[in-house]
Amino acid sequence: DVKVTQSSRYLVKRTGEKVFLECVQDMDHENMFWYRQDPGLGLRLIYFSYDVKMKEKGDIPEGYSVSREKKERFSLILESASTNQTSMYLCASWSGTTLYNEQFFGPGTRLTVL
Amino acid sequence: AQTVTQSQPEMSVQEAETVTLSCTYDTSESDYYLFWYKQPPSRQMILVIRQEAYKQQNATENRFSVNFQKAAKSFSLKISDSQLGDAAMYFCAYRSRGGSQGNLIFGKGTKLSVKP
Repeated sequence: DVKVTQSSRYLVKRTGEKVFLECVQDMDHENMFWYRQDPGLGLRLIYFSYDVKMKEKGDIPEGYSVSREKKERFSLILESASTNQTSMYLCASWSGTTLYNEQFFGPGTRLTVL
Repeated sequence: AQTVTQSQPEMSVQEAETVTLSCTYDTSESDYYLFWYKQPPSRQMILVIRQEAYKQQNATENRFSVNFQKAAKSFSLKISDSQLGDAAMYFCAYRSRGGSQGNLIFGKGTKLSVKP
């Protein structure tokens, strides 16, 4: 059974804090993604990675960075959290072997920045 | 750039009835992939159904089927014999064939309610 896990389901942080969101997949997938989900806006791509130590900006990278030191783990970092980063964060992975294959999603982290 | 539009923010259906969720997209490409994802209240996004643009035949997965109209750039999802467990957010997504590392472009979603 394929699996993408995220370190927290719910997270509450204060403005200015450094926040780490962790994502781990057990499918040996090359590609991993971080999305932000907001009501009425759907899913928006923050960053993605197609290999270890490789990363590319998505549509809304401002205020975020990422790290991929190991194939199975992809971290999203909020260097200095702000209230407008309160959102649902979804991680996904994809094998890359064929474009027909789906992305597999984690359960999401609901982040509240106070 | 490609865009995906889901024009129905919310839909409601009676249990055992049929409902159709709309999705249109804008692209200049001739070959691409389309997906419908379901996100129940538990938040776990799961794939419902997918379609390759070069295939004329509409995809079907049990009670779920699509009406793919390539010329109209439309990819609607039909849910037959609706069940309470079908209540969820549904997202339509587009994947380009080239140069995108498999990125998906999502619509804004349709919230489906199922009435008992």
